[in-house]
Amino acid sequence: EIVMTQSPATLSVSPGERATLSCRASQSVSSNLAWYQQKPGQAPRLLIYGASTRATGIPARFSGSGSGTEYTLTISSLQSEDFAVYYCQQYNNWPRTFGQGTKVEIK
Amino acid sequence: QVQLVESGGGVVQPGRSLRLSCAASGFTFSSYVMHWVRQAPGKGLDWVAVISYDGSNKYYADSVKGRFTISRDNSKNTLYLQMNSPRAEDTAVYYCGRDLAVGAMSPFGYWGQGTLVTVSS
Repeated sequence: EIVMTQSPATLSVSPGERATLSCRASQSVSSNLAWYQQKPGQAPRLLIYGASTRATGIPARFSGSGSGTEYTLTISSLQSEDFAVYYCQQYNNWPRTFGQGTKVEIK
Repeated sequence: QVQLVESGGGVVQPGRSLRLSCAASGFTFSSYVMHWVRQAPGKGLDWVAVISYDGSNKYYADSVKGRFTISRDNSKNTLYLQMNSPRAEDTAVYYCGRDLAVGAMSPFGYWGQGTLVTVSS
């Protein structure tokens, strides 16, 4: 099983600032890496897939990068609606596995 | 638009059974791989099971293998999760999810709103 490790667990950011979230896989996932956003009481929402492709309707302030075992989600200028928990997930191997999440909170 | 609506959650005693359903609409259900993913209270996301577009292939997380069964009825556009011998640690919100695209490597493109299962005596 591929273990996904996210850091940090919590990120405190002021509105308008940049946020950088990291995700590391225990072995290469060949860019078959997705990022999801989840707000309290809601289902997750796909943000990024293929490590860097934004899903339909996702604002350009969200960007993804990385390859192999190291991936990054960047939110260029945090808006109030972006404060949430973010999960990375690999879909290169079975079982599909998620990171433990990074909570982005208001500083 | 794509809609996934789960139902069937509730309180179930350990060792009993419960069946979850996920009604799909807005897309050709029989063309897509479907999944169940769960989230224990206050915890992260945990993939549970997957079924191929035609139901011929199924795969489970080790934590539920032998106890849960995923199935689908393409004539009814419905996905199921039969939960047998549930344990307290199966308490979670259960989401059904659809692959983003048809093909081997795809993230979860669409999610239902979830249904809460509480295993308790």
